Formats: sequence, structure tokens, C-alpha cells
Amino acid sequence: SQTIHQWPATLVQPVGSPLSLECTVEGTSNPNLYWYRQAAGRGLQLLFYSVGIGQISSEVPQNLSASRPQDRQFILSSKKLLLSDSGFYLCAWKIQGSGELFFGEGSRLTVL
Amino acid sequence: AQSVTQPDIHITVSEGASLELRCNYSYGATPYLFWYVQSPGQGLQLLLKYFSGDTLVQGIKGFEAEFKRSQSSFNLRKPSVHWSDAAEYFCAPSYGGSQGNLIFGKGTKLSVKP
Repeated sequence: SQTIHQWPATLVQPVGSPLSLECTVEGTSNPNLYWYRQAAGRGLQLLFYSVGIGQISSEVPQNLSASRPQDRQFILSSKKLLLSDSGFYLCAWKIQGSGELFFGEGSRLTVL
Repeated sequence: AQSVTQPDIHITVSEGASLELRCNYSYGATPYLFWYVQSPGQGLQLLLKYFSGDTLVQGIKGFEAEFKRSQSSFNLRKPSVHWSDAAEYFCAPSYGGSQGNLIFGKGTKLSVKP
């Protein structure tokens, strides 16, 4: 069966520090991969998605970037965090050609 | 623009009472439609989905949803709520069929009174 892992689960970082959140999917090949951010009362905002290795689409211009160095690995990064980057980050995947998304457990980022 | 609206930010129901959470999507070609549930501090879990066919779909945990094209709605229902149903619920249409990306509503937080 397919599983998705996100880490770290929680992270407290100072303003201006770098960020790396990692997501790995197991049990499937060539999935579509997604990063969402969830802020209180604002629902889920799609940040990036990828349909293949090295292929990244950005939905919202901001202080973050994403990379997909391997088929089942998706990384969210920042060189210098801002206070506004605080939030709950969710990685998700889906089988290409199917509809539903499957989510990881999320990473809580607090920028101080 | 393609959008989704969940009009109720917070709903409180008594345990054992019926529940209906509303969802309206922007008018246009019928999207794929999903409902997800999120417990505090957790990821999202798929409750049910509608692609085509029978407009009343059954999901997990006793939930169902009805697609009404004339109202551009996909409301979630449960006949008898349990305390464990307290969570946040998200409606998400996907335009562009199976290739489209999901657009999430802002969610409805459900509280359950004993």
C-alpha cells in the first residue's frame, strides 16, 4: 500500500534562517506531488505541484521554493524565512490520471 | 474564476443530531467533487468523492453527499453525529477532470455537544 511521510513534524525557526521540509511517498511510481500551506481560517493554499522529476509549478509567488530530486521525494525550501511563512504545511500526492489527493500528516512551522 | 464556498465557518450540533455542511462551487462544467476531514494537527482524510453518475454518494464514517447541478452544490450529510466527528471539513472541487488541481474551501469547523 502507498504511504506518505513528512518531516519534521514541528519546527521553530528564527526569522532569516533557512528552511527545508521533506516529503516522501512510498508504494507508487511517478505520482503528482503537492505542497499546501494552511493558515488559520484561510483554508488550504496550493503552493507548488510537480508532475515529474525536476518539474515544478508554482501557484503563488513568495519566499519559498520546491524541488523534486527523485521520483517520490518533494522538498520545500526557503533561504530566508519571514514571519509570514509560519503555518501548517501539507504534502500530498495523487496517481496521475486519478482525482483524489492523499495527504501527509503535516509540518507545523513557527517563525519567531 | 473557479472557486468554492463553504458558507458556515463553525457549526455546533448535539450528539445524535443530523448534520448538513454546505458547499457551493462556481458555475461551469461539473468538476470532480471531494469532501475531506481534518482532525486538529493532522493531515486531511478523504471522506467521499463524486465524479459522475449517481448524484448521491456514500463515504466513510457514515457520511454521504448529494450533488445538485441546478444549485452548484455538493452538501455533506450525516444522519446521526458522533462526538468523534468533531473536526474541520473541507469541500474541494477539481476542475479539469482527473488532471485538474483541487481547490479547497476555507473549511467548516464542526463541534459536537454531548
